[in-house]
Amino acid sequence: AQSVTQLGSHVSVSEGALVLLRCNYSSSVPPYLFWYVQYPNQGLQLLLKYTSAATLVKGINGFEAEFKKSETSFHLTKPSAHMSDAAEYFCAVTEGNQGGKLIFGQGTELSVKP
Amino acid sequence: NAGVTQTPKFRVLKTGQSMTLLCAQDMNHEYMYWYRQDPGMGLRLIHYSVGEGTTAKGEVPDGYNVSRLKKQNFLLGLESAAPSQTSVYFCASSYSTGRFDSPLHFGNGTRLTVT
Repeated sequence: AQSVTQLGSHVSVSEGALVLLRCNYSSSVPPYLFWYVQYPNQGLQLLLKYTSAATLVKGINGFEAEFKKSETSFHLTKPSAHMSDAAEYFCAVTEGNQGGKLIFGQGTELSVKP
Repeated sequence: NAGVTQTPKFRVLKTGQSMTLLCAQDMNHEYMYWYRQDPGMGLRLIHYSVGEGTTAKGEVPDGYNVSRLKKQNFLLGLESAAPSQTSVYFCASSYSTGRFDSPLHFGNGTRLTVT
């Protein structure tokens, strides 16, 4: 069965520092992987997705993620954090043969210090 | 351009009461989903639908029922609310690519408290 593990429920960085949010997945078939962001009192918005094309995926707001099959990872990075990046981030996985079931990780709350 | 609209935004129920949460989307999406969000647990799929008139169980379906009588609407029902159903409920929709890799569009959530 597919599953997602996000390492670290809270991550704190200084403004301008590198952002690294970790995600490991388990899937019996090649997965589709997603990162979503949630700002306070809002629904989730798509940051980026991996669907078996390029392994390095670029998303909105300067974020990118790299699919590493050997490590079953899909970590999210941003070279320089901005105050507006403070939010909760969710990694999610689906398998193409699972009829649309998207499974989310537990979430990582990102804080950005001035 | 409304996207995904959830009603109500907030609700307080007593144990044993029933209620229906309504989700409406105006993007002509085939797929619709109901998730619940609890602290430290991410989002968990309750039920989903891949087309009008069809529904399927997700990870945590017990205590909930759904209906998709019209393509644009997906209703989530609680027949007899329990305190364990206190949560934030999100509806989402996506278009059909045949591969289930299309992104989800989320509503802004319904905060439900069961006392």
